[in-house]
Amino acid sequence: RKEVEQDPGPFNVPEGATVAFNCTYSNSASQSFFWYRQDCRKEPKLLMSVYSSGNEDGRFTAQLNRASQYISLLIRDSKLSDSATYTCGSSNTGKLIFGQGTTLQVKP
Amino acid sequence: DAGVIQSPRHEVTEMGQEVTLRCKPISGHDYLFWYRQTMMRGLELLIYFNNNVPIDDSGMPEDRFSAKMPNASFSTLKIQPSEPRDSAVYFCASSLADVREQYFGPGTRLTVT
Repeated sequence: RKEVEQDPGPFNVPEGATVAFNCTYSNSASQSFFWYRQDCRKEPKLLMSVYSSGNEDGRFTAQLNRASQYISLLIRDSKLSDSATYTCGSSNTGKLIFGQGTTLQVKP
Repeated sequence: DAGVIQSPRHEVTEMGQEVTLRCKPISGHDYLFWYRQTMMRGLELLIYFNNNVPIDDSGMPEDRFSAKMPNASFSTLKIQPSEPRDSAVYFCASSLADVREQYFGPGTRLTVT
């Protein structure tokens, strides 16, 4: 079993839809969690950090459930420009382990 | 800040040749990470350094791969000899602390023919 599991998708949604991505992690000692966005042929860019129960930034909400060992990313009112690959990561003493990434395609 | 800098951006080489990838982390970041990304395996951590010292190299695929960090502002990842299955995008990332956010460089797209 991978240390971080993520549904690879793809998710195809219409503009304005709400979409949620989930990741589960197996290492209960993980301390920090992150969501990265990666555009085609570009590097991953930090989208959100999650250190406690959750974090919100505009249309984006990240939540952490330590008891069930999962993190989620919610995108509300999705835009065409949100089309990208979204990857979760969990960190424990330096090692950031990534999920497989979920591809999102927002269509007009 | 210029962010993490990597060179070259693209590298095409023949099987058996030595390949050296370079990285300059963000100034002041104590941690430096090397990743490899392929369609099949996603982002894989190869090795990371703290204060120029290698901490965990368990992700290095085999002895053909080696990494060094001679000072706080420079690191190299070397593949010798290279093989076609090494073709991938290699990212360098740096962070301020071990459980803080990592910032990625633009990557080196390596093709071994």
